[in-house]
Amino acid sequence: DVKVTQSSRYLVKRTGEKVFLECVQDMDHENMFWYRQDPGLGLRLIYFSYDVKMKEKGDIPEGYSVSREKKERFSLILESASTNQTSMYLCASSLGTYDSPLHFGNGTRLTVT
Amino acid sequence: SQQGEEDPQALSIQEGENATMNCSYKTSINNLQWYRQNSGRGLVHLILIRSNEREKHSGRLRVTLDTSKKSSSLLITASRAADTASYFCATDPNTGNQFYFGTGTSLTVIP
Repeated sequence: DVKVTQSSRYLVKRTGEKVFLECVQDMDHENMFWYRQDPGLGLRLIYFSYDVKMKEKGDIPEGYSVSREKKERFSLILESASTNQTSMYLCASSLGTYDSPLHFGNGTRLTVT
Repeated sequence: SQQGEEDPQALSIQEGENATMNCSYKTSINNLQWYRQNSGRGLVHLILIRSNEREKHSGRLRVTLDTSKKSSSLLITASRAADTASYFCATDPNTGNQFYFGTGTSLTVIP
């Protein structure tokens, strides 16, 4: 089974801090994704990556950046955390073919105070 | 935004009953997928239906797709308490494996 591991389940940070959310997948998947999930808004795509060092903006990239230096690892960076970035963050990966499903990690619940 | 919408937002049924939830989306699609999310966890893939398919079954799950109405439905038959979760549809709008999720249906199955 594919395993997508997010480094933290819960994280509390202060406003203005630089925050790193790490995600690792173990199935050599081409594509990796970062979503945030908020009540009533569902999942919204922040960034995705088709290959090492490649990144594409999703629907809500403002305030975020990403890094993919190795195929298995996709990091989400909050350059200067703000309270409106308090959310559940979900990382996912997929094989990269049209019919391949997403495999999700268990999420990181980030609180910015 | 290309997000879809699920309907209803919340559904409560007795164990053994069937649960039906609907998804509407906005753009043309390559495929549509359904996912389940247990409380506080990540999403788990349930079933995929391609744009040229109208119906698909997997165990107690039945999915239909109407591309002319840009809608899909997920039917869970003979529900169990363990089916209690949120259910999301996700569309791949032919952009190359980029998924857009709906807002989810919260299903509660009462034992």
